[in-house]
Amino acid sequence: DAKTTQPTSMDCAEGRAANLPCNHSTISGNEYVYWYRQIHSQGPQYIIHGLKNNETNEMASLIITEDRKSSTLILPHATLRDTAVYYCIVKLMSNTGKLIFGQGTTLQVKP
Amino acid sequence: DAGVIQSPRHEVTEMGQEVTLRCKPISGHDYLFWYRQTMMRGLELLIYFNNNVPIDDSGMPEDRFSAKMPNASFSTLKIQPSEPRDSAVYFCASSLLPGTQYFGPGTRLTVL
Repeated sequence: DAKTTQPTSMDCAEGRAANLPCNHSTISGNEYVYWYRQIHSQGPQYIIHGLKNNETNEMASLIITEDRKSSTLILPHATLRDTAVYYCIVKLMSNTGKLIFGQGTTLQVKP
Repeated sequence: DAGVIQSPRHEVTEMGQEVTLRCKPISGHDYLFWYRQTMMRGLELLIYFNNNVPIDDSGMPEDRFSAKMPNASFSTLKIQPSEPRDSAVYFCASSLLPGTQYFGPGTRLTVL
């Protein structure tokens, strides 16, 4: 599975959009981009995933560049409860179930 | 659905004792994963099952660790004998699709 690079930490003002970048320049054509988050003292939580098209659900939007070498997770109206570590993971859908969690981005939403 | 259920939530034991962690996956999910999380090593996959069969146990640190899934609704992770370096939070997760995993609340294990 391709390796990902994320900033170590980011801040966002409450009510504003949080844009979390992820670089996956070695991604292959059949690898998906997954995003998870982990709120302090809780288990990781699945957010969203995509292959090449932009995706949106009730939690977030995922924007994948045309060359698929990077993506951005967007939380449209960040709240204090969105403070968490956000993980970007690339994996083959047809692969085994293994998810490799890196260090992620610590997002601090501030009032 | 209640989500993934883990027990106990906290376990404190002494070095050399046997520890058993339990997990009940979400009904209908046929993948089950065990992870360990520490400050030093982050979140690591230990083992995972598909349809109750262990598929990849390459993350199990050593023979002191064992995991079983006797049926679709129950799994255990056992450490025997336990050591202080096993202190960590252990998560169980289940999924219908391999990449979309739902995690339990975790078991915080402290080995004295």
